[in-house]
Amino acid sequence: LAKTTQPISMDSYEGQEVNITCSHNNIATNDYITWYQQFPSQGPRFIIQGYKTKVTNEVASLFIPADRKSSTLSLPRVSLSDTAVYYCLVGDRTGNMLTFGGGTRLMVKP
Amino acid sequence: NAGVTQTPKFQVLKTGQSMTLQCAQDMNHEYMSWYRQDPGMGLRLIHYSVGAGITDQGEVPNGYNVSRSTTEDFPLRLLSAAPSQTSVYFCASSPPGQPRETQYFGPGTRLLVL
Repeated sequence: LAKTTQPISMDSYEGQEVNITCSHNNIATNDYITWYQQFPSQGPRFIIQGYKTKVTNEVASLFIPADRKSSTLSLPRVSLSDTAVYYCLVGDRTGNMLTFGGGTRLMVKP
Repeated sequence: NAGVTQTPKFQVLKTGQSMTLQCAQDMNHEYMSWYRQDPGMGLRLIHYSVGAGITDQGEVPNGYNVSRSTTEDFPLRLLSAAPSQTSVYFCASSPPGQPRETQYFGPGTRLLVL
């Protein structure tokens, strides 16, 4: 199985940029890296996805180095509503067995 | 589209009982999967299906069965419930033409086994 490792928790303040890194040393050539956000009592919600280099959307940026053994989710100017658990997800070589990291609990303080 | 729907929202079982958690999607997604999430923990893959008639085991398949007779439905069956199966169960599906890692999740079923 592709294994991912993330920090267990992070604290930030409103208006700051938050960077959450996920390591995935066994990532396969055809795997994408995907990040999800989960609020209490809800299912995970897709945030961003990338294969290499940098991807940006209206919510976040995703940085992937050339070796693809890690990725960094960047949340610009966080607000209290960004308090959630963030998961990275990679697949196995077939792309079918998907493994979530343990998740990073982000607490945004006023 | 209703997206991914799950029923029931909440269920209490006694040890040894069996039940089926329902999952359905109306988006014509081929890939579907079931995860469990224990309190304060991450998601673990139970079973997945790449299309009707095809299922396979994930990380934690023991104690669960699945079937996929149609593209829309992917029920998860608990054969003989145990307290260790107390968890929140999420069903997810992935749109065709996109990486499998692109998943839409249902709202979850909370299961308590006494």
